Amino acid sequence: GAGVSQSPSNKVTEKGKDVELRCDPISGHTALYWYRQSLGQGLEFLIYFQGNSAPDKSGLPSDRFSAERTGGSVSTLTIQRTQQEDSAVYLCASSPPGRDEQYFGPGTRLTVT
Amino acid sequence: SQQGEEDPQALSIQEGENATMNCSYKTSINNLQWYRQNSGRGLVHLILIRSNEREKHSGRLRVTLDTSKKSSSLLITASRAADTASYFCATDKWGYKLSFGAGTTVTVRA
Repeated sequence: GAGVSQSPSNKVTEKGKDVELRCDPISGHTALYWYRQSLGQGLEFLIYFQGNSAPDKSGLPSDRFSAERTGGSVSTLTIQRTQQEDSAVYLCASSPPGRDEQYFGPGTRLTVT
Repeated sequence: SQQGEEDPQALSIQEGENATMNCSYKTSINNLQWYRQNSGRGLVHLILIRSNEREKHSGRLRVTLDTSKKSSSLLITASRAADTASYFCATDKWGYKLSFGAGTTVTVRA
């Protein structure tokens, strides 16, 4: 079956511009996560959605970052007024109900020039 | 902040040899998971071990967990070129919000 998909795969943007990153989780997965991976680093948790519950936004680094999940499926991560330190690979993952292992998408590589 | 820390940072072995890497963490956990990331690709879940388990096997993978020492090890037996990748341990306290280490880069030489 189809895995987690993310778009775009690469995004180059100028400092100060807004960007939107999209994640399509595996069908039937109720949990969705966003992470950020900077060069040579481990993953940094950003936000977690579970069904209709309020998301856990505790990992968002600043109020320039926001995310939403429409209809319990597709999610969009928005970064406003991008800064160079936002350059990273943004990874999305999803989990099936009642399971803790996470299935990751290929990521979006964001470069802020 | 990173909860898990892998050791060594890098490992180079001959095809057919075993590879062992370790993960230490700081606070109590619910689960510990190992993931693999091939160059330029997404992470693939390898194995999950719960805090009340001590050892788990999956194919050529063996994971141990010692909660008293807050450490875990991942053993890959009879390594293959396709095992060349970065390996990450990830811990969670409540079943989500994984905290990853910086990873161990494994190179398997033909």
